[in-house]
Amino acid sequence: DAKTTQPTSMDCAEGRAANLPCNHSTISGNEYVYWYRQIHSQGPQYIIHGLKNNETNEMASLIITEDRKSSTLILPHATLRDTAVYYCIGLIYNQGGKLIFGQGTELSVKP
Amino acid sequence: GAGVSQSPSNKVTEKGKDVELRCDPISGHTALYWYRQSLGQGLEFLIYFQGNSAPDKSGLPSDRFSAERTGGSVSTLTIQRTQQEDSAVYLCASRPGGSGHGYTFGSGTRLTVV
Repeated sequence: DAKTTQPTSMDCAEGRAANLPCNHSTISGNEYVYWYRQIHSQGPQYIIHGLKNNETNEMASLIITEDRKSSTLILPHATLRDTAVYYCIGLIYNQGGKLIFGQGTELSVKP
Repeated sequence: GAGVSQSPSNKVTEKGKDVELRCDPISGHTALYWYRQSLGQGLEFLIYFQGNSAPDKSGLPSDRFSAERTGGSVSTLTIQRTQQEDSAVYLCASRPGGSGHGYTFGSGTRLTVV
């Protein structure tokens, strides 16, 4: 699975869009990009995933560059409850499909 | 049930005792995973079950740790002769088989070894 690189921490003003970057320059062609978040004292929560195309769901949007070497998770209107550690993870299913978590980005949404 | 259920939610045990942690995955989910998270640390993969295949035990930290999954559903993580460094939150996750599915995590069991 590709090594992913994320900033250690980020701040965002409440109501503004939060854009969380992730570099995965060694990603392989059949490797998905997954995003999870972990709010303090809770289990990780699935947000979104994609392979090549941009994806959107009720929680967020995922923008993947054409060369697939980086991606950005977008929370369109951040709220205080979005304060969490966000993990970007590469996953190849035919290698067992286990998520390997890095250190993630600690997002602080401020009033 | 609607989500992944773990029990107990909290467990305090004396050093040297054995403990069993239980995970009830979402009905129909064929893949089940165990992770642990020590205080202030990231999530560490422990073991992975997929259907009837042999489990991936590559993350188990020592032979004191073992896990089984009976009938393709409930899983039990057993830690023998617990040590203080085993203190952590133990998280279970499940997902449907096949690609393109997210994992659903339980709320975890907080284990404290005193």
